[in-house]
Amino acid sequence: KQEVTQIPAALSVPEGENLVLNCSFTDSAIYNLQWFRQDPGKGLTSLLLIQSSQREQTSGRLNASLDKSSGRSTLYIAASQPGDSATYLCATRKLTQGGSEKLVFGKGTKLTVNP
Amino acid sequence: EPEVTQTPSHQVTQMGQEVILRCVPISNHLYFYWYRQILGQKVEFLVSFYNNEISEKSEIFDDQFSVERPDGSNFTLKIRSTKLEDSAMYFCASSDFVTPAAFFGQGTRLTVV
Repeated sequence: KQEVTQIPAALSVPEGENLVLNCSFTDSAIYNLQWFRQDPGKGLTSLLLIQSSQREQTSGRLNASLDKSSGRSTLYIAASQPGDSATYLCATRKLTQGGSEKLVFGKGTKLTVNP
Repeated sequence: EPEVTQTPSHQVTQMGQEVILRCVPISNHLYFYWYRQILGQKVEFLVSFYNNEISEKSEIFDDQFSVERPDGSNFTLKIRSTKLEDSAMYFCASSDFVTPAAFFGQGTRLTVV
């Protein structure tokens, strides 16, 4: 059974700092890994998706890496801004014969960027 | 940009009542999902739906839950007799083969009193 862990649970940084959020998973047989952003009381916004054959994906100030063999992914945020304050969730998906399967989520890292 | 739409955004119901949560997935997506998030806890998978049938369900998804795609656009989650512990944010999601990223709706906050 897949377990996804995110460390740290909470992180507070000053504006402008570069930071790294960590995600680890126990079953390396994943199809892809997706990073989401969740604002308080809101839905999940997809940030980046990394296929199992890829090592990293970039979107603007965000860079996500994947090391499947060690069961780890990181989300790097460059030049953080107060608007980046949110909870960041990592989720893995395992593909079965029937098609795309469920996502297994970590508990998230709550990021606060202070002006 | 296409999006997943959920209604209502917030629903309050009495224990034992039936509720139906509604979702309009992204058109031409083939896979549909329901997840829930109890306050302060992880987002948990409930059920996946493909080709007009359930493809997988979790242990949470017991006989009190059912899903339906009544027409070409809507996807619903029914809870027959709500319990206090069903209070949570319920998320609908959809995906397809081409871009397998899952797209989530804004959620329905269900409060059972």
